[in-house]
Amino acid sequence: DQQVKQNSPSLSVQEGRISILNCDYTNSMFDYFLWYKKYPAEGPTFLISISSIKDKNEDGRFTVFLNKSAKHLSLHIVPSQPGDSAVYFCAATPSIQGAQKLVFGQGTRLTINP
Amino acid sequence: DTEVTQTPKHLVMGMTNKKSLKCEQHMGHRAMYWYKQKAKKPPELMFVYSYEKLSINESVPSRFSPECPNSSLLNLHLHALQPEDSALYLCASSQDRRTGRTGELFFGEGSRLTVL
Repeated sequence: DQQVKQNSPSLSVQEGRISILNCDYTNSMFDYFLWYKKYPAEGPTFLISISSIKDKNEDGRFTVFLNKSAKHLSLHIVPSQPGDSAVYFCAATPSIQGAQKLVFGQGTRLTINP
Repeated sequence: DTEVTQTPKHLVMGMTNKKSLKCEQHMGHRAMYWYKQKAKKPPELMFVYSYEKLSINESVPSRFSPECPNSSLLNLHLHALQPEDSALYLCASSQDRRTGRTGELFFGEGSRLTVL
């Protein structure tokens, strides 16, 4: 039973356009959500997060949107750059348990084409 | 220093071998983690140490034995593994969850384990 789902295994986007990565969750106890980015032969690195008290969080080219009623979040990257090509993992946790109970989605491989 | 260092990067072992994976961080983090990741799957939590004490064991078989000798080091001792245990083993650390960003983990590059 996957509590965090990323239904698109891969996504290809032209450089300069917007990349939208989607994530759905099922556990109502999750109230803190994160995106991690992973390059080959490296560990995942934290990208951006959002608390359930917000519906949007922005950091430079990266924006995360949260729709609590739909149990859906998305990561927008604009404009997309070749260096953004990586695997992106969505993760969720009950904030009271913090990093100790992170649940990851399967990941989406993003390819930015020049 | 914002690195989590894992050694070895690659390990091949037989089912009767005993080996260990090592992880080190010098960020002053008081929580350390072992995750297992199979190909095309998400990382799965195995163990959590908080202030050098085991706080979470996600029903991991006893052939995996974690150890936290001090606040900077985390080991994973391996014995009598099965071929299906072949995977990427990721170490991570985080600040005490009462400080820092909730859920932010710092990962190492991983140790790729192959069990023959």
